[in-house]
Amino acid sequence: QVQLQESGPGLVKPSETLSLTCSVSGYSLSSNYYWGWVRQPPGRGLEWIGSMFHRGHSHYNPSLKSRVTISLDTSQNEFSLNLTSVTAADTAVYHCVRWRYSGYGPFDNWGQGTLVTVSP
Amino acid sequence: SYVLTQPPSVSVAPGQTARITCGGNNIGYKSVHWYQQEPGQAPVLVVYDDTDRPSGIPERFSGSNSGNTATLTISRVEAGDEADYYCQVWHDGSGLLFGGGTKLTVL
Repeated sequence: QVQLQESGPGLVKPSETLSLTCSVSGYSLSSNYYWGWVRQPPGRGLEWIGSMFHRGHSHYNPSLKSRVTISLDTSQNEFSLNLTSVTAADTAVYHCVRWRYSGYGPFDNWGQGTLVTVSP
Repeated sequence: SYVLTQPPSVSVAPGQTARITCGGNNIGYKSVHWYQQEPGQAPVLVVYDDTDRPSGIPERFSGSNSGNTATLTISRVEAGDEADYYCQVWHDGSGLLFGGGTKLTVL
């Protein structure tokens, strides 16, 4: 059974970098799936941030691309998100997700999510 | 850019059928996926590739997709189906997109 678990600071100051890690158990990052992040501001809908394959290929939301880096550590079976120059608009619950890229498939596994608040 | 349009809310009585739509230009040519999200919980995939159900999802959940509209149908609605529902597609140039979400209320 695949399990994803987010970790990282719950509070980030404006203009700083938001950094989160997702630990994956029950499945290898070196498989035929992409791994990435989806966020949800309080009371609002879902927004895809980006996804990455273990061979280095990646896709990012064009609206966030300039500020986002996703990286995979296959030796630790975890991946991370860095979002730079954050503002209050980046306050959200951040979920790590597994994406079936083949046939532009679904996000078939989700972490429970972690709330990150951007505040001085 | 590509936009997915969902009604903000749908209400249905227990035992009836709920239909939640997801509109998009020629969405019938895309693979559509649907997620259920209960308050405070992570989304759960309920229908993928237009019509398929993951294991563990009741047969009451079904999907269709044609023309400019994809539809999630929930038959014999139960109180436990009350949740937010999101459609999702891939669109070249935009990447992975979600609809705005629909709140299903069971009367």
